[in-house]
Amino acid sequence: QVQLVQSGAEVKRPGASVKVSCKASGYTFTNYYMHWVRQAPGQGLEWMGIINPSGGNTSYAQKFQGRVTMTRDTSTSTVYMELSSLRSDDTAVYYCAREPILAGSLDYWGQGTLVTVSS
Amino acid sequence: QLVLTQSPSASASLGASVKLTCTLSSGHSHYAIAWHQQQPEKGPRYLMKLNSDGSHSKGDGIPDRFSGSSSGTERYLTISSLQSEDEADYYCQTWGTGIHVFGGGTKLTVL
Repeated sequence: QVQLVQSGAEVKRPGASVKVSCKASGYTFTNYYMHWVRQAPGQGLEWMGIINPSGGNTSYAQKFQGRVTMTRDTSTSTVYMELSSLRSDDTAVYYCAREPILAGSLDYWGQGTLVTVSS
Repeated sequence: QLVLTQSPSASASLGASVKLTCTLSSGHSHYAIAWHQQQPEKGPRYLMKLNSDGSHSKGDGIPDRFSGSSSGTERYLTISSLQSEDEADYYCQTWGTGIHVFGGGTKLTVL
């Protein structure tokens, strides 16, 4: 069965960086795009960007351009999201979510990773 | 600009039906969307992809009680025979060239 398993919770200081992982299993890793979506406490879902695990090409939401980097390791079927220059308003649960290529819809989600930014 | 608008809240009685609405911004009436459910303290769960003609394809294990329909710029999620576990936040999602967008979500209360 399809599983997206994310790394554990993180606590970071303002100005630091965080790197969250998402390990995929149960399907052919390179046949599906992967997205990152975040949710601040009590708020809605916010799209951050997408990576194509096949070629590694990425596209980021304008809001995060210059601060986010998405990478992948095809040998371990894992995608990573690194967010730098953290601020308190980056405190959120970060989700990875799979998209069948060119489908648009996100059909499986990871369990989420809480990132807390606090001095 | 591609925007999705949802009512913040809705309510319906146990066993009844409810129809949630997601409205696409003007000029985007041909766009497909997806519906996602987020139960309290859980991550989102994909419900279905809904096309502009009302055709839809549901995710794995989604009950027949969940269905979708479309009219113009409006996309609907209908839940019939409401159960207590349907109390959740419901988000619509759409996409364009290099961008994905979520609606603000509708909090459904089952009375």
